Amino acid sequence: QQQVKQSPQSLIVQKGGISIINCAYENTAFDYFPWYQQFPGKGPALLIAIRPDVSEKKEGRFTISFNKSAKQFSLHIMDSQPGDSATYFCAGSTSNTGKLIFGQGTTLQVKP
Amino acid sequence: ETGVTQSPTHLIKTRGQQVTLRCSSQSGHNTVSWYQQALGQGPQFIFQYYREEENGRGNFPPRFSGLQFPNYSSELNVNALELDDSALYLCASSSQQGARETQYFGPGTRLLVL
Repeated sequence: QQQVKQSPQSLIVQKGGISIINCAYENTAFDYFPWYQQFPGKGPALLIAIRPDVSEKKEGRFTISFNKSAKQFSLHIMDSQPGDSATYFCAGSTSNTGKLIFGQGTTLQVKP
Repeated sequence: ETGVTQSPTHLIKTRGQQVTLRCSSQSGHNTVSWYQQALGQGPQFIFQYYREEENGRGNFPPRFSGLQFPNYSSELNVNALELDDSALYLCASSSQQGARETQYFGPGTRLLVL
C-alpha cells in the first residue's frame, strides 16, 4: 500500500514538445505529492509539489495534474528544452511523517 | 546548490566492513532524512532525525543506524556491509519534521561494496 508507480521509464521528446510523466499511488493517506528532478551526479531537487485539495498546479513550464478519485497525478513539461534532460521522480507522503515514497523514476531526453 | 553537504563523495568497502557517512544540513534546518538510491531506482527512505531523536524509520535492518548532533549534522552508520548495500546514499534536510516541509537533498555518497 506504500507504492508509487511511475511511467514511462524513459521518454524522448523533441525540443518544444510536451513531456508527460504519470504516477499512481495506493496509499489514500498520502496528502503531499512532490516531483523531484535529478541530474547525473547530483541529488534530487524539488521541482513542484501539490496537495490533494487542488486538481492542478502550474509553475512556469511545469504543471501537475491531480486526480484524487483515480489516485493518479502527472507532470507536464511544456516547451521542453534540452536543459530539461534529467531523471524525474514523483513521490507521495503523509504530512505527519517525513517519509517520502518515491516512484521508480523517468529518464527524459529532450532532443535539440 | 542546496547547502546540504555530504562526505565522502565516493567510498569503496568490502563485505563485512562498517561504514560511516556524514551529512551537514542546510543552515536553519533541524531535520535530516537519509535515503538509499540503488542504480536506476528511486530513493528509499531509511530514517529521519529531528532534534537529535530518530523520528521514523523505513524498512531497513538494524545494522543501519544513525545519529544527529546538536548542530543538526548527521551520520549514517552501516555495519556488516553486504553487496546489496552498494548504492547512492542521500541525505536531505528540512526546517521541520513532516514531509510537507521541502526536503533539500545533498549530492550523495556513492558506496561500492566489493
